[in-house]
Amino acid sequence: GESVGLHLPTLSVQEGDNSIINCAYSNSASDYFIWYKQESGKGPQFIIDIRSNMDKRQGQRVTVLLNKTVKHLSLQIAATQPGDSAVYFCAENMAGSSNTGKLIFGQGTTLQVKP
Amino acid sequence: DSGVTQTPKHLITATGQRVTLRCSPRSGDLSVYWYQQSLDQGLQFLIQYYNGEERAKGNILERFSAQQFPDLHSELNLSSLELGDSALYFCASSFGDGAYEQYFGPGTRLTVT
Repeated sequence: GESVGLHLPTLSVQEGDNSIINCAYSNSASDYFIWYKQESGKGPQFIIDIRSNMDKRQGQRVTVLLNKTVKHLSLQIAATQPGDSAVYFCAENMAGSSNTGKLIFGQGTTLQVKP
Repeated sequence: DSGVTQTPKHLITATGQRVTLRCSPRSGDLSVYWYQQSLDQGLQFLIQYYNGEERAKGNILERFSAQQFPDLHSELNLSSLELGDSALYFCASSFGDGAYEQYFGPGTRLTVT
């Protein structure tokens, strides 16, 4: 069925280290990808997006890498801070074929930052 | 603050009842999306409206319906509620109808007893 899977349910890192959160997507027709951060009791917060015509995109302290060959997406967070502790979701969209904004979400990875 | 507002924040109701969840998109956004988040199903897309018209449907039950009004706010109606409908319901908005970043509201936590 439709799914976007995450490799690890929980990631624990030391404050100041870099974090890498991975995501495998199943649909090769997907052409738009987004990462969200969700803190407890809050709605998902947009972090960064990338379209399928790109391999890499950088934001403030974050980088998203897209490998279409193996259908893999990753989120890199530099110098991880305690405020980065949250659940991270990747999501995919097949706007090219459907022209809708329907997002298919992965199950999420919990990032724990140790002081 | 994403700019998307949702009311109410919490809702507790009994099985068989009907409730209405309300969402106001960010200023300038034309698309509104509804998602359901439960512990066993994760975040699931329900429905998208763009400028007042239904654009896409996901795994939305027939007991659920939505609409987007001329002022672009949206309502999600849930009827004949069952215990399994207990979840967080999120609204999101985006500028366009396709692949654009979506900004989520704070959610409505629905508890069906």
